[in-house]
Amino acid sequence: EVQLLESGGGLVQPGGSLRLSCVCSGFTFGTFAMSWVRQAPGKGLEWVSGFNNRGDSTHYADSVKGRFTISRDNSKNTLYLQMNSLRAEDTAIYYCANQGGGSYYFDKWGQGTLVTVSS
Amino acid sequence: DIQMTQSPSTLSASVGDRVTITCRASQSINTWLAWYQQKPGKAPKFLIYRASNLGSGVPSRFSGSGSGTEFTLTISSLQPDDFATYYCQQYQSFALTFGGGTKVEIK
Repeated sequence: EVQLLESGGGLVQPGGSLRLSCVCSGFTFGTFAMSWVRQAPGKGLEWVSGFNNRGDSTHYADSVKGRFTISRDNSKNTLYLQMNSLRAEDTAIYYCANQGGGSYYFDKWGQGTLVTVSS
Repeated sequence: DIQMTQSPSTLSASVGDRVTITCRASQSINTWLAWYQQKPGKAPKFLIYRASNLGSGVPSRFSGSGSGTEFTLTISSLQPDDFATYYCQQYQSFALTFGGGTKVEIK
């Protein structure tokens, strides 16, 4: 069974940092592209960052470019999101998602981890 | 970035109804479109890829169509489990973008 388990969320002050992790199992992690998608309270889905299918480049939404860094450790089957200079508008549930079919849609999702940026 | 616009934002329907949700892209995305279902407090669930291909285990009452800039998700006979919010997503190019969502509620 495919499982994606996020952790690392919590309450952080504006300007602070957090690192999210997503531990994956049930599939060959190193062969799949992965992304982070977020959802602010009561709002829609927003793609944040992801790897291309070759795993050799990363992409970011303009809203987080220069502040967030995506990375992965294939030996640990883990995806990361380092979030710096956090703002109130970064408050959201952050989901990691598996990009299916060698493409860029998301066929498996984690349960999400809540990040709250507030003083 | 490619903008995705869904309509309607809310839809009231009854069990057994045929339901259609529209998604429009700000530029052509060929058929690089996916659909998702999300229930309150839950992660999104993948439904359809490449505009019209059902994901594994997705009931056949769901179907998708369209190409270029206009797409539809149809539920042929709405079931109690289908009351949820639906999102389209383009994957023609980064930045990947979602529509604003369509909430299907009980009439």
